[in-house]
Amino acid sequence: KAGVTQTPRYLIKTRGQQVTLSCSPISGHRSVSWYQQTPGQGLQFLFEYFSETQRNKGNFPGRFSGRQFSNSRSEMNVSTLELGDSALYLCASSPGPANTEAFFGQGTRLTVV
Amino acid sequence: GEDVEQSLFLSVREGDSSVINCTYTDSSSTYLYWYKQEPGAGLQLLTYIFSNMDMKQDQRLTVLLNKKDKHLSLRIADTQTGDSAIYFCAETLERYQKVTFGTGTKLQVIP
Repeated sequence: KAGVTQTPRYLIKTRGQQVTLSCSPISGHRSVSWYQQTPGQGLQFLFEYFSETQRNKGNFPGRFSGRQFSNSRSEMNVSTLELGDSALYLCASSPGPANTEAFFGQGTRLTVV
Repeated sequence: GEDVEQSLFLSVREGDSSVINCTYTDSSSTYLYWYKQEPGAGLQLLTYIFSNMDMKQDQRLTVLLNKKDKHLSLRIADTQTGDSAIYFCAETLERYQKVTFGTGTKLQVIP
């Protein structure tokens, strides 16, 4: 059974640009969550989707957005990139709506220059 | 409110037991997790415990939960050099897929 796949693994962008990250959950999993990991702030929750609906959102500005498709794949988008957006972005998938086990992907390392 | 705290660093000798501690403040937490993160990698779920349990054992791993003190611990028996990593404690409420992580404890295993 394939794990959670995040693409791309590494990304370098310039300030002011926008970026889209992709996450394919484990087959059969319908819940996808996104997290930002930085040395200063640690792991912070961005948002969570279940059946194409955003159910929960963390304390991030509106520049951070996401969506989930009917096949449960999810994308997150960051517009008008800032240097502080440099981080490891992690995606997690879970089987259903109630929280059980969350399986994480390898992450996308975003560097903003 | 949600706040999960861990000590930042732990150093043990190979073969000894490691105990990583965590405190949380949200008494509504339903699931408590331990994740392992190796350099350059994502998070690996090691084990989790329901809040109505006191203890869970899985091979070399033992999780102890003290709900009264909101204290969670992870004991790794016979610690190996491959156990060197950052360990995150995390909590969540039942209905939401929002995991709140601790600051992480860096475990260093000395050969």
